[in-house]
Amino acid sequence: DQQVKQNSPSLSVQEGRISILNCDYTNSMFDYFLWYKKYPAEGPTFLISISSIKDKNEDGRFTVFLNKSAKHLSLHIVPSQPGDSAVYFCAATNFNKFYFGSGTKLNVKP
Amino acid sequence: GAVVSQHPSRVICKSGTSVKIECRSLDFQATTMFWYRQFPKQSLMLMATSNEGSKATYEQGVEKDKFLINHASLTLSTLTVTSAHPEDSSFYICSARPRDTVWQPQHFGDGTRLSIL
Repeated sequence: DQQVKQNSPSLSVQEGRISILNCDYTNSMFDYFLWYKKYPAEGPTFLISISSIKDKNEDGRFTVFLNKSAKHLSLHIVPSQPGDSAVYFCAATNFNKFYFGSGTKLNVKP
Repeated sequence: GAVVSQHPSRVICKSGTSVKIECRSLDFQATTMFWYRQFPKQSLMLMATSNEGSKATYEQGVEKDKFLINHASLTLSTLTVTSAHPEDSSFYICSARPRDTVWQPQHFGDGTRLSIL
């Protein structure tokens, strides 16, 4: 039973436009949500997070939105750059365990 | 930033061999380290939580005798795949969480690609 789901395995966006990556979860007890970025042959790198008491967190070009009623979070990257091309994992935690989605491969075209 | 080193990055060995993977936190201490397994196009599946100085906590369905975990110090955890078979071939990733913090994201190693012939 997968508690965190990323239903889009891939996304292709033109450079300069907005990339929107989506994630859904099932457990309302999660306290914190995170996005990780992963390049081939490397481990995931922490990107941005959001507490369950907030609905938005912004860091430069990256913004994470949380909709608790819908159990949905999204990552917005604007403007998208070719270097953003990677696999993005969303994760949720109750401070004990982390649960990861299956990832979305983002391709930003020059 | 926090760095986690995982070694080796790739292992190819014969069936029946035992393989040890090391996970080190290089610039911070970690009382808790995590071991994940990733199948192609699937999410990271938590195998076990490694606690310094105590026994690891395994997820349901993960064989304790198959995947031996030792967390001997605040900067090192090892995963030993005993008597590995082809079905154990996978991508194994460790992560570490800094100690003495209310909450910190995990920091990941670069993973180990294990191929059993």
